[in-house]
Amino acid sequence: GAVVSQHPSWVICKSGTSVKIECRSLDFQATTMFWYRQFPKQSLMLMATSNEGSKATYEQGVEKDKFLINHASLTLSTLTVTSAHPEDSSFYICSATTTGTPEGPQHFGDGTRLSIL
Amino acid sequence: AQSVAQPEDQVNVAEGNPLTVKCTYSVSGNPYLFWYVQYPNRGLQFLLKYITGDNLVKGSYGFEAEFNKSQTSFHLKKPSALVSDSALYFCAVRDRNNAGNMLTFGGGTRLMVKP
Repeated sequence: GAVVSQHPSWVICKSGTSVKIECRSLDFQATTMFWYRQFPKQSLMLMATSNEGSKATYEQGVEKDKFLINHASLTLSTLTVTSAHPEDSSFYICSATTTGTPEGPQHFGDGTRLSIL
Repeated sequence: AQSVAQPEDQVNVAEGNPLTVKCTYSVSGNPYLFWYVQYPNRGLQFLLKYITGDNLVKGSYGFEAEFNKSQTSFHLKKPSALVSDSALYFCAVRDRNNAGNMLTFGGGTRLMVKP
């Protein structure tokens, strides 16, 4: 089946550090990738939609200068949390899909737990 | 606009008993419906989907779901619950006309299966 790899799985860093999270589709070409944020015991909040080769589309209230998304290839998207602060601590999850197959499920990475001290 | 409601934050069931996790949806057109499961500190795993055809859909780990168009529901069911089924379950919907493939998730339901 379709596999999405997300790395790292856990990050602990000091306030002010920038953190990069990678999302890779291992066995399929992901024309569209999604980045979510999940707070404890809550649902997923869509942050942005990323299409290969174009700028990401951010959801309302998500700071694009704070959360930089790059989707330079059909198998890799990255999320960089710039100058992270404690309030950015959260569980970040990516998913991938192939545009043109709306009946297909999204395939999710295992998430990245980000803890900012 | 599309939305999903999971009216129960938590469902408790004894091992061996049947379980139901409820989901209702709202879309402007016809829906694609999905169920996902999330274990602690993990991403979401796909369980099953409804695209078209038979209203009863069978998925992974013995789970099934029934699409009911008149009630706009897609409840998840399993005839006999296992302790290992304890997890967080999410229902999701996508409008068939949504070219962006964006899913809308419900708030999640925590399933607790007790021995």
